[in-house]
Amino acid sequence: DTAVSQTPKYLVTQMGNDKSIKCEQNLGHDTMYWYKQDSKKFLKIMFSYNNKELIINETVPNRFSPKSPDKAHLNLHINSLELGDSAVYFCASSGDSRETQYFGPGTRLLVL
Amino acid sequence: SQQGEEDPQALSIQEGENATMNCSYKTSINNLQWYRQNSGRGLVHLILIRSNEREKHSGRLRVTLDTSKKSSSLLITASRAADTASYFCATDSTGNQFYFGTGTSLTVIP
Repeated sequence: DTAVSQTPKYLVTQMGNDKSIKCEQNLGHDTMYWYKQDSKKFLKIMFSYNNKELIINETVPNRFSPKSPDKAHLNLHINSLELGDSAVYFCASSGDSRETQYFGPGTRLLVL
Repeated sequence: SQQGEEDPQALSIQEGENATMNCSYKTSINNLQWYRQNSGRGLVHLILIRSNEREKHSGRLRVTLDTSKKSSSLLITASRAADTASYFCATDSTGNQFYFGTGTSLTVIP
């Protein structure tokens, strides 16, 4: 009964590959987010979706493309992976007030 | 544009002592929140304080907000080894997104 789940938990891949990270929330929330946390623990928002529509798209390379098939899912697809993409990626969701965010456990991506 | 910046970056205390960490931000906010991250885990919401509030308590947590100085502090009283984690402040200006800092890494020594 995990509230926000992500798969995979770990992802090791070669430069140039394309990979996807999946996120699902069973909280009935309308808003979902993707964050990137670098090695210095700085957490930066990448995208935000509300009811399957993009509402925030921070300065992120267009190699990153979020996809929301329904409001319970927000997947992140990354093309042509680069070394600098290595980080921990967190999915989060929030309810109507958007005041509290619930985070997934993170996906640790290592690009070799 | 990064909003929250926590200080100190790292803090080490003995069990039973109080831990205080600070957060400074740059622009007007609707609310400020503190989150906790255990090693290798996602962030967990601790407490929210609105821009018109000055102090808030939740169990052993006490948060203050000074909007004139654009700063907040988180006090954890009677710390326990289980409080060892990273603590992040997050500011909300628009209701759409949060800006997090790099966190304060707290170590509580048993």
